[in-house]
Amino acid sequence: GENVEQHPSTLSVQEGDSAVIKCTYSDSASNYFPWYKQELGKGPQLIIDIRSNVGEKKDQRIAVTLNKTAKHFSLHITETQPEDSAVYFCAAKAGRTSYGKLTFGQGTILTVHP
Amino acid sequence: EPEVTQTPSHQVTQMGQEVILRCVPISNHLYFYWYRQILGQKVEFLVSFYNNEISEKSEIFDDQFSVERPDGSNFTLKIRSTKLEDSAMYFCASSVETQYFGPGTRLLVL
Repeated sequence: GENVEQHPSTLSVQEGDSAVIKCTYSDSASNYFPWYKQELGKGPQLIIDIRSNVGEKKDQRIAVTLNKTAKHFSLHITETQPEDSAVYFCAAKAGRTSYGKLTFGQGTILTVHP
Repeated sequence: EPEVTQTPSHQVTQMGQEVILRCVPISNHLYFYWYRQILGQKVEFLVSFYNNEISEKSEIFDDQFSVERPDGSNFTLKIRSTKLEDSAMYFCASSVETQYFGPGTRLLVL
């Protein structure tokens, strides 16, 4: 089955710096890659996703890149702010749709220092 | 904005007891899921539910687990005889396409 590895497990940056979180996946059939942000006491919230027919997607300060050949995808946050501090999870899913079983990475604790 | 809700937020139970975790998915969603996260570990898929039946389940989802949509709004996860290793945060999610997660129920089995 699918296995998703995520690095780093913790990331500490200064406000205004960029943060990059990387994930690799094992199943070449995976086609959908969401990123979730989890704040204390809340469930994971989708922040951006990408499908395998796209190499990069941006939404304001957040971008995701996908390299299907190498089976890795990355989350980039620019101009980080203290409110970006949270746990970030990558996930992967086989098939063309976004419904169905998600396989998650281990999570990255991002801390943005003012 | 519509959201997935879960009750209770915390549940403490004795080993061997039955627990029912409750979820109210987003109203127009068609697919429902349970995931769990043992402390310090990955979020793990348990089961997905569509059209009033299980569409996929993981190896974790054995005979001790069951899911039900008893009415048009609730989606429940029952653990028949809890074990210590069932202690985890349980997340419900629902989707049309994108999966939206609830805040979770923290289950502690003593």
